[in-house]
Amino acid sequence: QVQLQESGPGLVKPSETLSLTCTVSSVSVSSYYWSWIRQPPGKGLEWVGNVFYTGTTNYNPSLKSRVTLSVDTSKNQFSLKLSSVTAADTAVYYCARYMTTAYNWFDPWGQGTLVTVSS
Amino acid sequence: DIQMTQSPSSLSASVGDRVTITCRASQSISSYLNWYQQKPGKAPKLLIYAASTLQSGVPSRFSGSGSGTDFTLTISSLQPEDFATYYCQESYSTLAITFGQGTRLEIK
Repeated sequence: QVQLQESGPGLVKPSETLSLTCTVSSVSVSSYYWSWIRQPPGKGLEWVGNVFYTGTTNYNPSLKSRVTLSVDTSKNQFSLKLSSVTAADTAVYYCARYMTTAYNWFDPWGQGTLVTVSS
Repeated sequence: DIQMTQSPSSLSASVGDRVTITCRASQSISSYLNWYQQKPGKAPKLLIYAASTLQSGVPSRFSGSGSGTDFTLTISSLQPEDFATYYCQESYSTLAITFGQGTRLEIK
């Protein structure tokens, strides 16, 4: 079945750029939309953005100026870059497939990776 | 942006109880509503999509209903493994997908 695995640094300094990669297994990354969702410790879920392999993206308006999503079809991966991070960006970051049919939903999700912003 | 409001924020119940969680959208979202279950330290898991369609492999004690602005998730007979946090999520908007704040279901 489809599996996703996040990877990247667990600690990022304030004002620097957070970079994460999601590796997709058992399906081509070219076949679907892909998403990032984050969850600050002890809080709820926040959608970060969606990306399609063509480069089509949709970003959360509250993060749009700092977020870049991209897809690498040669590696079957997609990536997140979040610039100028602050402590408020500390969260577990999940990657997920965004199913787009007549209706849309996130499934499956990766296990998540905790990113802490601290000097 | 569409705002999603869940109620209650937390709920205590016993094994075997029937439980209902409500999600209200700030504008009509037709049936573009999904429900997820999240256990501590784990990723959310899709339970229901399109307001009432049970995801494959999800027990039939879970059900969803509603359309427009008001939606419910019902667990017909709580099992020990159902104690978790539940989130609704609207997929009507392509510009800003939003989740409810979550409902924590605890053992009484």
